[in-house]
Amino acid sequence: GESVGLHLPTLSVQEGDNSIINCAYSNSASDYFIWYKQESGKGPQFIIDIRSNMDKRQGQRVTVLLNKTVKHLSLQIAATQPGDSAVYFCAENRPLRALTFGSGTRLQVQP
Amino acid sequence: DVKVTQSSRYLVKRTGEKVFLECVQDMDHENMFWYRQDPGLGLRLIYFSYDVKMKEKGDIPEGYSVSREKKERFSLILESASTNQTSMYLCASSLNVNTEAFFGQGTRLTVV
Repeated sequence: GESVGLHLPTLSVQEGDNSIINCAYSNSASDYFIWYKQESGKGPQFIIDIRSNMDKRQGQRVTVLLNKTVKHLSLQIAATQPGDSAVYFCAENRPLRALTFGSGTRLQVQP
Repeated sequence: DVKVTQSSRYLVKRTGEKVFLECVQDMDHENMFWYRQDPGLGLRLIYFSYDVKMKEKGDIPEGYSVSREKKERFSLILESASTNQTSMYLCASSLNVNTEAFFGQGTRLTVV
């Protein structure tokens, strides 16, 4: 029921450490994946994307890894900063559908 | 920069009222979306549109309808608001399939 989803998984890290946020996606036919960051009171913001013909993509301080065999996506943030504190969502693009989002992970960065 | 603008940040409506949530994007995007966001449940797709006057049901369309008369504008309609529609509503747009979606700031709707 809805009460199950109220407790958002939380990852707590020390400032300067690396963070890894994981996500399992549902549809083996999904061909495009995005990580979004959502700060309190704001809409989700794009971080990085990856297409299904890739298994790794790097951006500035962020890396996304895609394992299609086990339908798993991860976001790695290097040298985590207080400004990285937010809720992070993975999203998959199902064929003929719109982006489908996971339930999110809260990242808390301790100074 | 892409801008997706939702007409209201906060709305309070009474049960049974007809509610319109408006969304406008300024980048000539083909696709527009409406999601609702509830604590711990992520974003759930209500409706989307890939062209003017076209619409597709998302995962939770019950109790909602949409209208897309112009490319830049996508409206979400609650025909008869109910308390279980109290939520954060997020509009998004994307250029085409398999490109990032840009989100508005959201409308927090409370139905009393």
